Amino acid sequence: GEDVEQSLFLSVREGDSSVINCTYTDSSSTYLYWYKQEPGAGLQLLTYIFSNMDMKQDQRLTVLLNKKDKHLSLRIADTQTGDSAIYFCAEGDLSGTYKYIFGTGTRLKVLA
Amino acid sequence: DSGVTQTPKHLITATGQRVTLRCSPRSGDLSVYWYQQSLDQGLQFLIQYYNGEERAKGNILERFSAQQFPDLHSELNLSSLELGDSALYFCASSVEQGVGTGELFFGEGSRLTVL
Repeated sequence: GEDVEQSLFLSVREGDSSVINCTYTDSSSTYLYWYKQEPGAGLQLLTYIFSNMDMKQDQRLTVLLNKKDKHLSLRIADTQTGDSAIYFCAEGDLSGTYKYIFGTGTRLKVLA
Repeated sequence: DSGVTQTPKHLITATGQRVTLRCSPRSGDLSVYWYQQSLDQGLQFLIQYYNGEERAKGNILERFSAQQFPDLHSELNLSSLELGDSALYFCASSVEQGVGTGELFFGEGSRLTVL
């Protein structure tokens, strides 16, 4: 069935790089997304990658996609305390079911 | 501000009761999605509507139902509430299906506490 898995927690020191990993199962995904949820707020799109791409860089964010292994990662360079949040990986099928499946979320804690 | 409005923000009720959560999507968005976020299960997809019609169903219990009205706002009805229904319920909207990157815009959620 459809499933998106992430580790639950990650703790890093300010200034270090953070890498959040995700595995998904649906090979028909059109886009893969990273959403950020700050305390008391809804989710906001952080970045996305089209399923035929391997990598996407956007300022401090680097997304790597390994389609063969169905593995997605988000690297945050020079992590700041403001990056502390829950990060959700999601897959979307925009050509068929239009369903979006989210992972359990990874809680990132940045230590000063 | 995502442009998606959810009411109420907080709701406390008793087991066995029924509640209605409301969502107004972003202006122009035809698709509405409902998700349940609980501590131990992450973000679970419940149901999706597109322009008034149900399009996809996820892990939605039979005690729950939803609809999307002609003005595109949506309501999620939760009945015979149980303690385990306590969660944060999110609504999200998106533009027409198949257009753009499919970004979902989330409301701030309705926190339901069942006592």
